[in-house]
Amino acid sequence: DAKTTQPTSMDCAEGRAANLPCNHSTISGNEYVYWYRQIHSQGPQYIIHGLKNNETNEMASLIITEDRKSSTLILPHATLRDTAVYYCIVRTSGTYKYIFGTGTRLKVLA
Amino acid sequence: DTGVSQNPRHKITKRGQNVTFRCDPISEHNRLYWYRQTLGQGPEFLTYFQNEAQLEKSRLLSDRFSAERPKGSFSTLEIQRTEQGDSAMYLCASSVGAGVTDTQYFGPGTRLTVL
Repeated sequence: DAKTTQPTSMDCAEGRAANLPCNHSTISGNEYVYWYRQIHSQGPQYIIHGLKNNETNEMASLIITEDRKSSTLILPHATLRDTAVYYCIVRTSGTYKYIFGTGTRLKVLA
Repeated sequence: DTGVSQNPRHKITKRGQNVTFRCDPISEHNRLYWYRQTLGQGPEFLTYFQNEAQLEKSRLLSDRFSAERPKGSFSTLEIQRTEQGDSAMYLCASSVGAGVTDTQYFGPGTRLTVL
């Protein structure tokens, strides 16, 4: 079973920040949080990952709470091309496989 | 920048036929993964390789499924005696195979339809 829970769907206005939450209350101290997105009929695309510090790259920012039990992916200025299913994944320590949940379907509205 | 490539992109077959898919990972990536995704669900792990060694297989990988990575480069996934329930997107991913994080990069997938 996936170690994360996410809302099923969210809407965001174009140009506004999209904040996608993820709960991972059973995360262990050395397990990373990964975010991917999947645009219809394509393979998942890597976005960002983090351990305990906040992270930022050219695509997004990742905010991880101090207790590491939840995180938020932030797309600072959402565009229509950001419409996708977003997956939050915690890879179990000692394995290399990802266990995906059902993700959050983000719809960016014009 | 050459990412993970998969061939074919689409495959339509009749029930009972055998099919084979190919995955070419990012150059110098040591780990290669196969996942399966059905409509409305997230990808499900099938198996992974470290170089040519197959190190983990999911219970989803029945006896009709076999994966190989003979020289530690490209990989093939074969499904024998296909069933309608095998219809899905088959995704391949690769990773460097070093370091704590070891991020996986996915290919575009092969969509299989079994009639």
